Amino acid sequence: KQEVTQIPAALSVPEGENLVLNCSFTDSAIYNLQWFRQDPGKGLTSLLLIQSSQREQTSGRLNASLDKSSGRSTLYIAASQPGDSATYLCAVRSLGNAGNMLTFGGGTRLMVKP
Amino acid sequence: ETGVTQSPTHLIKTRGQQVTLRCSSQSGHNTVSWYQQALGQGPQFIFQYYREEENGRGNFPPRFSGLQFPNYSSELNVNALELDDSALYLCASSFDNLGGYTFGSGTRLTVV
Repeated sequence: KQEVTQIPAALSVPEGENLVLNCSFTDSAIYNLQWFRQDPGKGLTSLLLIQSSQREQTSGRLNASLDKSSGRSTLYIAASQPGDSATYLCAVRSLGNAGNMLTFGGGTRLMVKP
Repeated sequence: ETGVTQSPTHLIKTRGQQVTLRCSSQSGHNTVSWYQQALGQGPQFIFQYYREEENGRGNFPPRFSGLQFPNYSSELNVNALELDDSALYLCASSFDNLGGYTFGSGTRLTVV
């Protein structure tokens, strides 16, 4: 059974810092990994999707890497801004019978202070 | 291109009642999944529909049921509501089974 863990659970940083959010998963047999952003009480906004054959994806100030063999992904946010404050969730889509579902981590709550 | 839309946005029900939540998938998407997100936790998979057939189910009891219609929109039905069913219910759509997901804004269900 796939399990996804995100560390840290919460993070508070001053504006302008570069930061790294971590995601680990127990079963390396995955189709893809997706990073989402969630504002309080809202739905999920997809940030980056990394296919199992890829090592990283970039969008603006965001860069996500994937090391499938070690079961790890990182989301790098450059030059953080107060508008980046949100919960960040990673989700894994696994091979096999579980391939039709996403398994989510518990999220990292990020606060960027002006 | 329209995204995923869910209705209603908020709902209050009494324990024991039944509820129906609705979801319109993103244009061009044929797969719809439903997730339950309790406060402070990551979303949990309820089930998925692909071409109007249930295509996977998470660890939820049979009182959670669903439908997908020919236009790929979907409903989530919950019978005999319990207090623990209070959560944010998220709908997500994708094209076929392997693409990335697009999520709606969710329905906040409160059971009192």
